[in-house]
Amino acid sequence: SQKIEQNSEALNIQEGKTATLTCNYTNYSPAYLQWYRQDPGRGPVFLLLIRENEKEKRKERLKVTFDTTLKQSLFHITASQPADSATYLCALGRLGNNDMRFGAGTRLTVKP
Amino acid sequence: EPEVTQTPSHQVTQMGQEVILRCVPISNHLYFYWYRQILGQKVEFLVSFYNNEISEKSEIFDDQFSVERPDGSNFTLKIRSTKLEDSAMYFCASSATSGRANEQFFGPGTRLTVL
Repeated sequence: SQKIEQNSEALNIQEGKTATLTCNYTNYSPAYLQWYRQDPGRGPVFLLLIRENEKEKRKERLKVTFDTTLKQSLFHITASQPADSATYLCALGRLGNNDMRFGAGTRLTVKP
Repeated sequence: EPEVTQTPSHQVTQMGQEVILRCVPISNHLYFYWYRQILGQKVEFLVSFYNNEISEKSEIFDDQFSVERPDGSNFTLKIRSTKLEDSAMYFCASSATSGRANEQFFGPGTRLTVL
């Protein structure tokens, strides 16, 4: 069966450091992968999308990589700030299909 | 900035009752979605809707569920006879395109509590 796993439930880092979150998948061939941020009691907010033929995408302090051989995406937040504290979700989608599958999320806490 | 809105923010109902959750997607978007998130669990896809019909649905979206776009702005999710396990946060989302450019905008959610 399809599985999407995010490396850990919780990640604590010090302000200014780089946070690295992992999303692994099995039995799935995504055409694209997205990362969302979710704050408690709120809906997910889109951050970045990367397609299966792209290796890396950047947006300000965010960077996403996508390795279809390893079946893995890494999500980096550089120069992290306490305001980056939230749950980060990866979501996978297939070509011609709007059925996005989400991982369970990693709760990031950035300590001042 | 345009946003997806949902009403009500919290709905409490008795088991067996019908509920309708309402959403107003972003006005120029063409694709609409419902997701649910049981407390502490992952976001789960329910259904996608395009051109006035369902384009995909998950195994969760059984005969108890239906969606409708009754006018040019609203998008609703109806649960015919609620069960205790329907208690969850329900998110509506919309996107301008589908597939590989599928950036979805989520609403704030409706918390459904079934007693």
